[in-house]
Amino acid sequence: QTVVTQEASFSVSPGGTVTLTCGLHSDSVSTTHRPSWYQQTPGQAPRTLIYNTNTRSSGVPDRFSGSILGNKAALTITGAQVDDESDYYCVLYMGPLIWVFGGGTKLTVL
Amino acid sequence: QVHLVESGGGVVQPGGSLRLSCVASGNSLYSYGIHWLRQAPGKGLEWVAFIQASDVNERSYTDTVKGRFTISRDNSKTIVYLQMTSLRPEDTALYYCVHGRDYSFHMWGPGTMVTVSS
Repeated sequence: QTVVTQEASFSVSPGGTVTLTCGLHSDSVSTTHRPSWYQQTPGQAPRTLIYNTNTRSSGVPDRFSGSILGNKAALTITGAQVDDESDYYCVLYMGPLIWVFGGGTKLTVL
Repeated sequence: QVHLVESGGGVVQPGGSLRLSCVASGNSLYSYGIHWLRQAPGKGLEWVAFIQASDVNERSYTDTVKGRFTISRDNSKTIVYLQMTSLRPEDTALYYCVHGRDYSFHMWGPGTMVTVSS
């Protein structure tokens, strides 16, 4: 069973920079896993932030960026704002036609 | 902007069945691959099932629903269904249908709640 790992929680100060990661329990994450990232605030449907490792979805501010850092996918928020306080989920494509979510990271901005 | 709208959720007893539907507001689902995802109360997101746009025989499921859930499209490809049988309490969740593009999920709807309880 594939396990996708994310930090359970993270904290950042307003205006600061934070990098959330998305790993595999028994392998390295690469662009072939087509990492994507989603933001969800309580009571709301998720919002697509990043897909295909580093492509921002329409309307997503450029303070959100995606990359591969070492053996993990990463979501970096530069100049964090209070409104960025949310749950963040990554997804990896494990192929063929199988996707796996990470457990999510609860980001606090204070 | 196109949004997907789910319906068909409700309360069902363990072992029961439900059929969820997904339609696109203002457009057809004809050209879209469609996923069903779910989120149990207070828990994270989980991918459930996928059906291709171009080949409706190309379908996939997460292991926990294989043999119990079936994803399908109607002949006109305007509606995508998730037929759920042998439901378990752990299937209780908010179910989302989303557009699949570039190996990712887009156009999230509000979801439809499924509660499996006696």
